[in-house]
Amino acid sequence: DTGVSQDPRHKITKRGQNVTFRCDPISEHNRLYWYRQTLGQGPEFLTYFQNEAQLEKSRLLSDRFSAERPKGSFSTLEIQRTEQGDSAMYLCASSRKDSAYNEQFFGPGTRLTVL
Amino acid sequence: AQSVAQPEDQVNVAEGNPLTVKCTYSVSGNPYLFWYVQYPNRGLQFLLKYITGDNLVKGSYGFEAEFNKSQTSFHLKKPSALVSDSALYFCASAEGGGSYIPTFGRGTSLIVHP
Repeated sequence: DTGVSQDPRHKITKRGQNVTFRCDPISEHNRLYWYRQTLGQGPEFLTYFQNEAQLEKSRLLSDRFSAERPKGSFSTLEIQRTEQGDSAMYLCASSRKDSAYNEQFFGPGTRLTVL
Repeated sequence: AQSVAQPEDQVNVAEGNPLTVKCTYSVSGNPYLFWYVQYPNRGLQFLLKYITGDNLVKGSYGFEAEFNKSQTSFHLKKPSALVSDSALYFCASAEGGGSYIPTFGRGTSLIVHP
């Protein structure tokens, strides 16, 4: 399978703990996006990378959220001191840069439950 | 600021009948519009996009969408619905200026009855 993969698929944690999610994009895609999706809503943009550069991070939900893509391949999204309101599906998507507005390819998501 | 509205939470249609899922948009410049589909326990899948050109855009699985600038709409259509089309459909718009940040609607659940 050469699609976008995310790990883990499910994460249950206690309030106050830190969690980290991983996303592996399609190999030739140089753009990588993170979203949050809550029940009954569409994906909400968080941040995106072009290669290893994080080009937009102002929409990360708080300073507890951070993302990295150190070598321009896989990416991680970390949430520190989790809160119950962080419970949601976290989606990763990738796309090619060479043509503007290329469609994004989404992974299956990581479902976070904060107890 | 851009926004996307999907006025229907759910659309019900009988198999074999035509279907329409509605989307309206609000953007300050040229609209770049997309439809995605989300099947249960699967990631979102791209269906089609409008960037420029013909107002009628054809996409995957027999879907098409009509861009209407005067009505600021981008409705998704299919001439003959299948039970397997039952899924969650999202309309999205992308900002210009190089950032390509998409804004998604809240989604419409399509239920196709046998």
